[in-house]
Amino acid sequence: GAGVSQSPSNKVTEKGKDVELRCDPISGHTALYWYRQSLGQGLEFLIYFQGNSAPDKSGLPSDRFSAERTGGSVSTLTIQRTQQEDSAVYLCASSSRGGSTEAFFGQGTRLTVV
Amino acid sequence: AQKITQTQPGMFVQEKEAVTLDCTYDTSDPSYGLFWYKQPSSGEMIFLIYQGSYDQQNATEGRYSLNFQKARKSANLVISASQLGDSAMYFCAMREGAGGYNKLIFGAGTRLAVHP
Repeated sequence: GAGVSQSPSNKVTEKGKDVELRCDPISGHTALYWYRQSLGQGLEFLIYFQGNSAPDKSGLPSDRFSAERTGGSVSTLTIQRTQQEDSAVYLCASSSRGGSTEAFFGQGTRLTVV
Repeated sequence: AQKITQTQPGMFVQEKEAVTLDCTYDTSDPSYGLFWYKQPSSGEMIFLIYQGSYDQQNATEGRYSLNFQKARKSANLVISASQLGDSAMYFCAMREGAGGYNKLIFGAGTRLAVHP
């Protein structure tokens, strides 16, 4: 597709369940980011993939959060044993290599844990 | 320590006037890039403007300009001739290092309201 695609757009889950959020970046983009945005707040960095390098996982809030990127393209963010405080919009972005290139964002997945 | 600081949680401006949104940053890397994004109520993130640490001139994109003061580690966004459609959240972001190999870090944002 032409832009970053995220699915699902909305997800309601029960506390304690696992969820998987998907991100399909712009074709050819080597960098992929996941951010979390709570209501009315800024973007909290979660994890960053760049090409074949080891991902920067420094923003993952707990070991319940993990992400993978298969074949340098699609990424899945997994949250295990969801808690109510995990409720937020999860944004994915991708960019091509190059320091001046901006990141292009998907529309996000709104996760609600009830 | 905060890498990106936006000290104004909210700002308002009269339509057609100019407004400055503040951003300061903290890095020891001589090479870095600074970005501004707009997030309207729809939630999409819209890239506005970029400034590289070695750029000699302030970046401009239409009504947006970046007041880059390197010694002060300041990268304020100036919006000229504000329009009602400029009402949104504005985020400053930084990527350290050259070549785009590092993550993009965002500030907490400033909510701008443009009044008619």
